[in-house]
Amino acid sequence: RKEVEQDPGPFNVPEGATVAFNCTYSNSASQSFFWYRQDCRKEPKLLMSVYSSGNEDGRFTAQLNRASQYISLLIRDSKLSDSATYLCVVKGDQAGTALIFGKGTTLSVSS
Amino acid sequence: NAGVTQTPKFQVLKTGQSMTLQCAQDMNHEYMSWYRQDPGMGLRLIHYSVGAGITDQGEVPNGYNVSRSTTEDFPLRLLSAAPSQTSVYFCASRHHEGQLNTEAFFGQGTRLTVV
Repeated sequence: RKEVEQDPGPFNVPEGATVAFNCTYSNSASQSFFWYRQDCRKEPKLLMSVYSSGNEDGRFTAQLNRASQYISLLIRDSKLSDSATYLCVVKGDQAGTALIFGKGTTLSVSS
Repeated sequence: NAGVTQTPKFQVLKTGQSMTLQCAQDMNHEYMSWYRQDPGMGLRLIHYSVGAGITDQGEVPNGYNVSRSTTEDFPLRLLSAAPSQTSVYFCASRHHEGQLNTEAFFGQGTRLTVV
């Protein structure tokens, strides 16, 4: 089983739509969780960290369910500029552990 | 702010050639790592370092060597390039554990083709 799994999509949505991405992870000892965004032919960049209580940043809401080992990202009022690949990222609990990336979910927002 | 600087951006190698991908960061990050990204495979960890003089293998280390003589630099060496090493390579750095901000910063990537 892959350590971090995501639905690859693509998700094709119109502007203004709400879209949700899901991610599951296999290591129950994982302690840190993130969503990164990667534009076509560019490097990944941090979108937001994911906290146990859930957190929101503008139109973006991230949720964590430790019992189910599940992470989600909700994007409201989608913009054309949201078109990108969204990477679910997990880090273990030990010092020096690497970031483990999911394969990414591709979002395409159209007008 | 330079952040993470990766060179070269593009490279074509012949099978059997060797080369070094350079990575430098100016954020005083302890942790540095190399990933390769292939279609349908996502980002896979090649090697990483938690500080100067310390390196360790990741998920796909075969065919690659690294060293970390300074905090700033973390070069990746391909000893004898093979077509299977055709990929996009990313260097990343972040603060080590215990720091408030462990955001990983990536270089712009190196697109390597081995023919």
